[in-house]
Amino acid sequence: KQEVTQIPAALSVPEGENLVLNCSFTDSAIYNLQWFRQDPGKGLTSLLLIQSSQREQTSGRLNASLDKSSGRSTLYIAASQPGDSATYLCAVNNAGNMLTFGGGTRLMVKP
Amino acid sequence: DADVTQTPRNRITKTGKRIMLECSQTKGHDRMYWYRQDPGLGLRLIYYSFDVKDINKGEISDGYSVSRQAQAKFSLSLESAIPNQTALYFCATSAPGTAAYEQYFGPGTRLTVT
Repeated sequence: KQEVTQIPAALSVPEGENLVLNCSFTDSAIYNLQWFRQDPGKGLTSLLLIQSSQREQTSGRLNASLDKSSGRSTLYIAASQPGDSATYLCAVNNAGNMLTFGGGTRLMVKP
Repeated sequence: DADVTQTPRNRITKTGKRIMLECSQTKGHDRMYWYRQDPGLGLRLIYYSFDVKDINKGEISDGYSVSRQAQAKFSLSLESAIPNQTALYFCATSAPGTAAYEQYFGPGTRLTVT
């Protein structure tokens, strides 16, 4: 059974810092991996999707990397802003069918 | 208009009541999913459907049932609600035939069972 872990569970940084969120998974036979953003009481916004054949994806100030062999993905946020404050969820897709989610990292960026 | 909509957005109900949560999508996707999220935790899969005639249990299906009324509609029912079903419920869709199987989520339904 796939298990997904996100570290740290919570993170508080001053505005402008570059930061890294970590995601690890136990079964490396994945189809793809998605990073989501969730604002309090709101739905999920897909940030980046990395297919199993890819090493990284970039969107604006966000960069996600994938190392299947070690069961790890990182989400890098450059020049953080208060508007980046949210919970970030990592989810692994094993068979094109269903996602297994990590517990999330709650990020606060202080002005 | 949102591609994936959920109704109601918030609901408070009493223990033992039957309740239905509805999901509709305009993305034309075949696959639909129901997840629940508990405070401080990630999402867990309840049921999923690949088409109108194909329904599958997920990780935590006990106490829930679903109905796929049409390609665009997927409903989740709690036959007899209990307090530990208090959670945030999400519907999602995806399309087979694309390389990514990316899932798209609705805004969520906050359910409280008292």
